Amino acid sequence: DTGVSQNPRHKITKRGQNVTFRCDPISEHNRLYWYRQTLGQGPEFLTYFQNEAQLEKSRLLSDRFSAERPKGSFSTLEIQRTEQGDSAMYLCASSPKVRLGNTIYFGEGSWLTVV
Amino acid sequence: QKEVEQDPGPLSVPEGAIVSLNCTYSNSAFQYFMWYRQYSRKGPELLMYTYSSGNKEDGRFTAQVDKSSKYISLFIRDSQPSDSATYLCATYLVFGKGTRLSVIA
Repeated sequence: DTGVSQNPRHKITKRGQNVTFRCDPISEHNRLYWYRQTLGQGPEFLTYFQNEAQLEKSRLLSDRFSAERPKGSFSTLEIQRTEQGDSAMYLCASSPKVRLGNTIYFGEGSWLTVV
Repeated sequence: QKEVEQDPGPLSVPEGAIVSLNCTYSNSAFQYFMWYRQYSRKGPELLMYTYSSGNKEDGRFTAQVDKSSKYISLFIRDSQPSDSATYLCATYLVFGKGTRLSVIA
């Protein structure tokens, strides 16, 4: 068990550029989640997948955000036309296929700074 | 009303103190409750997980759920400086804001 892996760990980008983050979940976990966290706040849910199906999306996930999980393995989160308000830590998490609401395991996060 | 409410603190206690961290939640259908610990600039780390009402103990940590009042608590006994972190309560897909704890040696 190598844990949830996220790349890159840090990204600085200019406003208007596109960025993509990758998440590799724990190998036997069917569910994969994306959260966003800003300073002084708890993680805010963005979206989650069960295998390759995207089952739920928060209204926080604007049209500029897109997440994919091809073949139900790794996932990518792309932010198009970045804005300064997108600066945050993007957290990926995974969990086994048990009842929703059960424990999830987080990666170390990908820090985005939009300048 | 947010689904999970948590006092952000900060909370500062002397080493060895008993710490009480609390959250309230709004949806009575929630059954699973988690506590996570998050060190600065790191991802949250699962500490405790409870189902429905009652207590669960793990070493110096005790998690308590009172479904009648929709109140969840985490107690830390004999607190250590290494316990200094932000503690997040969570249920379903929702997290509280986190309580920042400092344990002073």
